[in-house]
Amino acid sequence: NAGVTQTPKFQVLKTGQSMTLQCAQDMNHEYMSWYRQDPGMGLRLIHYSVGAGITDQGEVPNGYNVSRSTTEDFPLRLLSAAPSQTSVYFCASRKWGSTDTQYFGPGTRLTVL
Amino acid sequence: AQTVTQSQPEMSVQEAETVTLSCTYDTSESDYYLFWYKQPPSRQMILVIRQEAYKQQNATENRFSVNFQKAAKSFSLKISDSQLGDAAMYFCAYRSVQGGSEKLVFGKGTKLTVNP
Repeated sequence: NAGVTQTPKFQVLKTGQSMTLQCAQDMNHEYMSWYRQDPGMGLRLIHYSVGAGITDQGEVPNGYNVSRSTTEDFPLRLLSAAPSQTSVYFCASRKWGSTDTQYFGPGTRLTVL
Repeated sequence: AQTVTQSQPEMSVQEAETVTLSCTYDTSESDYYLFWYKQPPSRQMILVIRQEAYKQQNATENRFSVNFQKAAKSFSLKISDSQLGDAAMYFCAYRSVQGGSEKLVFGKGTKLTVNP
């Protein structure tokens, strides 16, 4: 199993540009989620999904869109990037009904100029 | 809403010594999970140890153990025989068990330095 994969690893955007951060998992996990990590902060939940076709907002959803068309993929879209979205983004997944913790991807470092 | 507090922004320890990282949390729930994650410079989030609140016995994983005090809402991590590879950011995290809750609530982290 590759686990949770994220692409790209690094990205630089200009203010107002749009982009999609990709996340995929091959563990057949129902739960997938996106977190952001800012300096001096722990991770904060942006959006999550409990299965294909079902998404919900987390703690800091503004400026981000998600969709879940398959079990494997959970992309995060920035429609109009802002400098406040400069952060490290982590995707995570977990099997529903499991007491297990979440498996995290390696992260994407995004800089918005 | 649940909150997690790590009161030590930085800690240091000599190699082979023992260090304890503190974590307190606030919740009105009676059942939940608590975690310690390690984040080395590679930024990969690595699960160190997990505690289920209904279990009174403290979790242990090799050199890592926790002191879980449910009444005090305290969840400290003890690292014994510290190694250079233990140097990292350590995050304490809380997860509810209600309704299949997905959200992990993280503390702000403690940076651990291991001195040779």
